This record gives sequence, structure tokens and C-alpha cells, in this order.
Amino acid sequence: SQQGEEDPQALSIQEGENATMNCSYKTSINNLQWYRQNSGRGLVHLILIRSNEREKHSGRLRVTLDTSKKSSSLLITASRAADTASYFCATDYYDGGTSYGKLTFGQGTILTVHP
Amino acid sequence: DTAVSQTPKYLVTQMGNDKSIKCEQNLGHDTMYWYKQDSKKFLKIMFSYNNKELIINETVPNRFSPKSPDKAHLNLHINSLELGDSAVYFCASGKQGSNQPQHFGDGTRLSIL
Repeated sequence: SQQGEEDPQALSIQEGENATMNCSYKTSINNLQWYRQNSGRGLVHLILIRSNEREKHSGRLRVTLDTSKKSSSLLITASRAADTASYFCATDYYDGGTSYGKLTFGQGTILTVHP
Repeated sequence: DTAVSQTPKYLVTQMGNDKSIKCEQNLGHDTMYWYKQDSKKFLKIMFSYNNKELIINETVPNRFSPKSPDKAHLNLHINSLELGDSAVYFCASGKQGSNQPQHFGDGTRLSIL
């Protein structure tokens, strides 16, 4: 089965710096989604980018998608200590049929933002 | 108001026991999911129901049985618990179809002694 891979596995930065996380996947997709998970909590949806989109913005978040390279990146600008969390990409892969929202998650990037 | 709620939050039990985890969503979504997150934080889908019908059933031991009494509830029953079942189990919900975000509960941490 398809599995996303995220890079780096861990990222440590200072408040105010930008954080970039990358995700690669293996098959055709309907969309790619990014989620955040704070310690001991559930996943929170951040942004969804469809396979026919190349870039999307939401507040301080910017997501790009390159379907030819089967990769995506999440950029968090002007990071804050509250951004400290694990970040996961998830792909809804396309099999030519009905999608039931079956997401395949990457292993995640642990982001630490130091005040 | 909690959108997706799971109970219990923590579950500590002996090997061989049977246990259930309950999940409820008040978002009006048609589709609900169960995921398992292992100790390395790898998250994998187990089951999905759409309007009480099972639509995703991954390779999961048949000791795990989901039940959906209505579209707002999806429970997970586990028989004969094993050490390898220790994990965090997440319930999620979403609107039917593709290109929909999923909303997660806070998880149930299951520890097998």
C-alpha cells in the first residue's frame, strides 16, 4: 500500500523562523492533506490541496504540490512556540473509482519551536 | 462542544480481556473512521463506515469488530486483547466523498498488561 514519507523526521527552530516540511508519496492521488498533532491530542486538519492545484495558502501556512515529482511541502512562516507539534501529510489516493476518504499517512515531522 | 468524542481516554487492561471504545460525532457527517497509531506515531486506517455501512476494512485481525448503531456513532470492540494491541486508537469523521477533511477525536490510549 502507498505510504507517504516525510522529511525531516525532526526539525528544531527559533521563534520567528520559517519551518519547511516535505512529503513524498508513491501513487496517483485525489488530494493531499496536512494535519497537526499536539502531544496527547488528536489530529487537526490544516489544509487540503487537490491533485489539480499547485499551491495553497491558509494564514501562515503555504502548501505546494508537485504531482510530477509526487511530493508536497508545508511551509510555516514566522513560527511561534505554539506551533510545536507533529505534522503529518496524508494522501487520498486515486484508484479510478469512488473515494471513501481512505487516507494514508506519512510518518510525521516533529517540529520544535524554541521561544 | 466537542465535535468527535471518544471514551474512555485511557484503557489499561490485562491480556485476554475484551474491551470496547466508543465514539460519537456531532458534526452531522456521514462517514466515520477508526485509526491505530503505534508507538512510532505511525497512523494507519482500520475501518470506515458510511451511513452505517462498512466501506473500508483493512487487514485487521478479526478480534477487532466495529459497530455503527447510527451514523453519529462508531464503536470498536476488541476481543482477546494481545500485547501488540497496545496503541492509541483514534476515531474520525468526515463528509461523504473525496476532497473532504477528517475531524479526529483525542484518542484512546490502550495499554495491555
